Amino acid sequence: DIQMTQSPPYVSASVGDRVTITCRASQGISHWLAWYQQKPGKAPRLLIYAASRLQSGVPSRFSGSGSGTDFTLTIGSLQPDDFASYYCQQANSFPLTFGGGTKVDIK
Amino acid sequence: DVQLVESGGGLVKPGESLRLSCAASGFTFSTYTLNWVRQAPGKGLEWVSSISPNSNSKYYADALEGRFTISRDNAKNSLYLQMNSLRAEDTALYYCAREGYNFNDYWGQGTLVIVSS
Repeated sequence: DIQMTQSPPYVSASVGDRVTITCRASQGISHWLAWYQQKPGKAPRLLIYAASRLQSGVPSRFSGSGSGTDFTLTIGSLQPDDFASYYCQQANSFPLTFGGGTKVDIK
Repeated sequence: DVQLVESGGGLVKPGESLRLSCAASGFTFSTYTLNWVRQAPGKGLEWVSSISPNSNSKYYADALEGRFTISRDNAKNSLYLQMNSLRAEDTALYYCAREGYNFNDYWGQGTLVIVSS
């Protein structure tokens, strides 16, 4: 199974900050990686797919990069609506696996 | 608009069974792979199972040990998850999700399963 290691588990940041979350796969997954945002009591929302493609309707301050084993989600300028949890997920092979999540809190 | 609505969750005792359903609308159901993903209270996301558009391919998380069965009825635009021999560790919010471009692009709001004596 491919393990997805996400870091950091918590980020304390202010509005306007640039936030970077990383995800490392235990083996190469090419570009088969997605990032999701989840707010309390809500379903996850797809932000980035295929490592760097922005899902329709997602603000351009979100961006993704990486390939192989190392990936990054960047929020260019943190907005109040962005305080949430974020998860990476690999779709290279079954079983599909998620990272442990990163909670972005208000500083 | 794409909609996925889960149902069938509830409180059951260990060892009992439950069947979850997911009713879909707003897209051509028969052409998409569908997934079940669960989230235990206060925990992260865990993939449970996937089914191909024609039901020819089905995949399951190893931790399920053969207790769950995924199925779909394309004529009814519905996805199902039959869960047998339920355990306390199966307690979670169960989401169905549509897979677009190999990733889960639409999710339902989830149905809660609680396994407790």
